[in-house]
Amino acid sequence: GESVGLHLPTLSVQEGDNSIINCAYSNSASDYFIWYKQESGKGPQFIIDIRSNMDKRQGQRVTVLLNKTVKHLSLQIAATQPGDSAVYFCAEPNNNDMRFGAGTRLTVKP
Amino acid sequence: DGGITQSPKYLFRKEGQNVTLSCEQNLNHDAMYWYRQDPGQGLRLIYYSQIVNDFQKGDIAEGYSVSREKKESFPLTVTSAQKNPTAFYLCASQSRDRGTSSYEQYFGPGTRLTVT
Repeated sequence: GESVGLHLPTLSVQEGDNSIINCAYSNSASDYFIWYKQESGKGPQFIIDIRSNMDKRQGQRVTVLLNKTVKHLSLQIAATQPGDSAVYFCAEPNNNDMRFGAGTRLTVKP
Repeated sequence: DGGITQSPKYLFRKEGQNVTLSCEQNLNHDAMYWYRQDPGQGLRLIYYSQIVNDFQKGDIAEGYSVSREKKESFPLTVTSAQKNPTAFYLCASQSRDRGTSSYEQYFGPGTRLTVT
């Protein structure tokens, strides 16, 4: 069936470097995506969203890129900080609920 | 402050006992959701409710039950029929207002249930 998935389960970056977290989706009709951040032992928090009529959307230190041709989206975090260490999920609405990818665990090395 | 709360944060039960997890929201959201999260895995949908007195099974509803008697509350009962109940349980709510442009789900802090 349709699904949202992640390329890599873990990502380790040096503090100050940029991070790129990737997500693939299979439903070509998907028109909206959300990125969530989940810190250890806490609930996911909204980071940024993007609609399919956009290729790029920027927030504070974060940018989401959407490539509809290859059904891929990415979350870029600029100047990664220790507080960015968390699991990041991409998600898309699916009928009456939300479908989440498995997540990528980002570890920031000092 | 508007938000969604879950209690307790940690819960311990003996095998064979039913246990109810609380979820309350004051965001005036119509839709509420329960997810289960296992270590190193994503979120799996247990039940959801789009309106009071109505709820639907998600992907892994077996061994769970819910009620939605009030808009603000969506308690989840983990029954003794659930084979592997130990997990992190997350509740979420979402506005169903067609006028909003966001489908964002707001999550509670979660309840970690351990059954021995």
